Amino acid sequence: LAKTTQPISMDSYEGQEVNITCSHNNIATNDYITWYQQFPSQGPRFIIQGYKTKVTNEVASLFIPADRKSSTLSLPRVSLSDTAVYYCLVPSTGGFKTIFGAGTRLFVKA
Amino acid sequence: EPEVTQTPSHQVTQMGQEVILRCVPISNHLYFYWYRQILGQKVEFLVSFYNNEISEKSEIFDDQFSVERPDGSNFTLKIRSTKLEDSAMYFCASSWVKGTNEKLFFGSGTQLSVL
Repeated sequence: LAKTTQPISMDSYEGQEVNITCSHNNIATNDYITWYQQFPSQGPRFIIQGYKTKVTNEVASLFIPADRKSSTLSLPRVSLSDTAVYYCLVPSTGGFKTIFGAGTRLFVKA
Repeated sequence: EPEVTQTPSHQVTQMGQEVILRCVPISNHLYFYWYRQILGQKVEFLVSFYNNEISEKSEIFDDQFSVERPDGSNFTLKIRSTKLEDSAMYFCASSWVKGTNEKLFFGSGTQLSVL
């Protein structure tokens, strides 16, 4: 099982860019990296997924270096509503379960 | 946009009672999951279900728990004799692909309170 490590919490201010880095040193060749967002009292929500280099969608960008041992979720110009827990997931090899770690609690202040 | 729906949103029960939590996954999805989250803690995997059988389960998913897909649309989690420590938010999820690029779609959860 590829293990991920990410900061427990981060603070930011409205309008700033936020970068959350996740390390996954034992990532397998076929693994994708997936990020989810969870607001209080809601289920996690898929936000972005990538395999290598850079992926961008309407919510975020995901940067993955060539060695794929880490990835960085970038949220441009955050607002108060981006306050949430962000999870970096690298799937189990074999098996049918997706495991969530503790995630990164992002607090966006006015 | 299609979504996973869960009912009820809140369930209060007495210890020892049976509860059934219901979920309607996204219609073309093939893989179904239950997770739970105790207040302030991590999202914990309970069970995955594919092709009308359990694919994998965690150590939390003991004999008191069961899952069923009684028809083509519903996916249920039953807790036979609830304990105080079963109090948590229960999330259903579904995906259409299983593999290293899977994406799970979660419902908004059922808050279970065992008194």
